[in-house]
Amino acid sequence: DIVMTQSPDSLAVSLGERATINCKSSQNVLYSSNNKNYLAWYQQKPGQPPRLLISWASARESGVPERFSGSGSGTDFALTISSLQAEDVAVYYCQQYYSIPYTFGQGTKLEIK
Amino acid sequence: EVQLVQSGAEVKKPGESLRISCKGSGYSFTDFWFAWVRQMPGKGLEWMGLMDPGDSDTRYSPSFQGQVTISADKSISTAYLQWSSLKASDSAVYYCARLRAGNGPLDYWGQGTLVTVSS
Repeated sequence: DIVMTQSPDSLAVSLGERATINCKSSQNVLYSSNNKNYLAWYQQKPGQPPRLLISWASARESGVPERFSGSGSGTDFALTISSLQAEDVAVYYCQQYYSIPYTFGQGTKLEIK
Repeated sequence: EVQLVQSGAEVKKPGESLRISCKGSGYSFTDFWFAWVRQMPGKGLEWMGLMDPGDSDTRYSPSFQGQVTISADKSISTAYLQWSSLKASDSAVYYCARLRAGNGPLDYWGQGTLVTVSS
């Protein structure tokens, strides 16, 4: 199985400041034939199902605010929130969909400082 | 509008069987794989397995192989997750989700089904 490791486990950032969450995969998730990274980011708020934010490592989903961006390739990835808003408080997960089982990171809890 | 609507919360005793459901609407059910994801209380997301409802090809995470059964009835656009003998450790919220474009990310999620197993 590909192991996904996120850092940090929790993060407190002031409103308006930048928040960065890292995700490292134990194996490459870049498919060379199409040059796509099979990596997604999800946001989960309490009592809600996860919401897809970013696919293919850096493609923002429709309706996701521009302050959310994804970056990285191969085995190292990051989710950045450029200016933290109160509604961004949530747990964030990365997930690889390169090989079955499509494993998740352990999650990063983002709070307001 | 794409929707995945899951069955309601369940309270069961250890050793009992259970099947929970997830009905898809607003899209062609057989054109998209679906997956099941477990979330134990206060914990993270665990990918359990997926099925292509078009041909019933099913893949399980090794952690869940033999512990659950994933199935679907394409005539009613409904996916299922089934246990033959529940354990207390099966207590969790279970989500169904649709995979985008074959082996893509999970783009639509059900609301979750809480399963509580207690004697």
